[in-house]
Amino acid sequence: DAKTTQPTSMDCAEGRAANLPCNHSTISGNEYVYWYRQIHSQGPQYIIHGLKNNETNEMASLIITEDRKSSTLILPHATLRDTAVYYCIVRVIGNTGKLIFGQGTTLQVKP
Amino acid sequence: KAGVTQTPRYLIKTRGQQVTLSCSPISGHRSVSWYQQTPGQGLQFLFEYFSETQRNKGNFPGRFSGRQFSNSRSEMNVSTLELGDSALYLCASSLLSGRAPDTQYFGPGTRLTVL
Repeated sequence: DAKTTQPTSMDCAEGRAANLPCNHSTISGNEYVYWYRQIHSQGPQYIIHGLKNNETNEMASLIITEDRKSSTLILPHATLRDTAVYYCIVRVIGNTGKLIFGQGTTLQVKP
Repeated sequence: KAGVTQTPRYLIKTRGQQVTLSCSPISGHRSVSWYQQTPGQGLQFLFEYFSETQRNKGNFPGRFSGRQFSNSRSEMNVSTLELGDSALYLCASSLLSGRAPDTQYFGPGTRLTVL
C-alpha cells in the first residue's frame, strides 16, 4: 500500500471549513483514498473514500487532484465534536481488509 | 444493525500472565482484523481472519495469536505479557466483498494495562 503524508496538527475555528491535506504521491491506479477519524480513545470511524472523482457525503467532501498524488478532506462547518485525529489511507480493494495507518492529523476545532 | 462489540472494555493484568480478548463483528461480516494502538507506535495491524483462516499477519511476536470461529466471532490471545503490551486493542470487521467501499467498521476497543 502507498505511503501517505499528513501534517501533524491543524487548528480550525468552529463553524469554519476544515481542510485536511494528504499527500500520496506513489499511489497506484487501483488504490483508493480513504479517510477515517478517531475521537479520543474510541475506535476509528470511516468518513469517506474515493478513487479519482471528488466525493461528498453527509460528513465531508473529498477532493482528489487530477494526478491523484494528493487529496483534501473538507469538513464544511467544523464543530467542537469534529476534534479528532484524521487518517488518510490508500489501499487496494480486494481480498484483504488490512489498513495501514500513518500518524494522522490532529485537528483541534476551537470555539 | 448492531456494531462491532469488544469484550472486555478494560483489563488489568500483571507481567507474565496471558490474556484473551474477544470481538463480535457486525452481523454478516466475515472478515475480522485486529490492531494495537500505543502512544509511541500508533495504530499497528496485528492480523486478519476471514472464514476462520488467518489471511494476513503483522510484524508482531508469536506471543500474539488469534482465531476466528464459524460464527465469525474472533479472539486474540497474548501470552507472557510484557509491560509494552499495554495498549488499546481494536477490532474491525468488514464484508470483504471485493467492491468499494469495503468499509472497515471498528469496535470501541479493549484497554489493556500490564503492571
